[in-house]
Amino acid sequence: QVQLQESGPGLVKPSETLSLTCTVSGGSISRYYWSWMRQPPGKGLEWIGYVYSSGDTNYNPSLKSRLTISIDTSKNQFSLKLRSVTAADTAVYYCARTTVNTLRFDPWGQGTLVTVSS
Amino acid sequence: SYVLTQPPSVSVAPGQTARITCGGNDIGSKSVHWYQQKPGQAPVLVVYDDSDRPSGIPERFSGSNSGNTATLTISRVEAGDEADFYCQVWDSSSDSYVVFGGGTKLTVL
Repeated sequence: QVQLQESGPGLVKPSETLSLTCTVSGGSISRYYWSWMRQPPGKGLEWIGYVYSSGDTNYNPSLKSRLTISIDTSKNQFSLKLRSVTAADTAVYYCARTTVNTLRFDPWGQGTLVTVSS
Repeated sequence: SYVLTQPPSVSVAPGQTARITCGGNDIGSKSVHWYQQKPGQAPVLVVYDDSDRPSGIPERFSGSNSGNTATLTISRVEAGDEADFYCQVWDSSSDSYVVFGGGTKLTVL
């Protein structure tokens, strides 16, 4: 079955760019949306945005000005770049496969903690 | 922006039925998905499109959605069901984005 795995630095300095990659295995990256979510320590889930295999994207309006999500179908990977980070961006970041019709998330990656600190 | 409201906590004895609500304006017109998240783990989809179950999810998990309230029902609750539960919809009416409820902590007494 499809599995997802996040990778990237666990520590990012304030004002710098947070970069994460999600690698999809066990299935094709085509015909689905692929999403990023995050969860600050002890808090709830927040949707960040998604990318389609064509490269089309949709972002959370609250993050849109700092965000780029891209996809590399040849590598079965999609990526997140969040610019000008602050401590408020400290969170566990998850990637997930997303259905096109009603935008449900299944399955999810295991998540990766990113801490923003100097 | 669209808001989903969940009770912070629900407590139930083993073997009883737990009901977790998710309130939103005319939520009955949207497809609601529910996720279970155990400590230190990623969320898992347990109900989608209001009332469907992914393969591998026990029949004890069911959902309904009408008017301004969606409900996740867990029958014959077990100790292993203790977790945080989140509802989620896609709000296509405004900026077209995904919304999560604040989450409900299910405690099995």
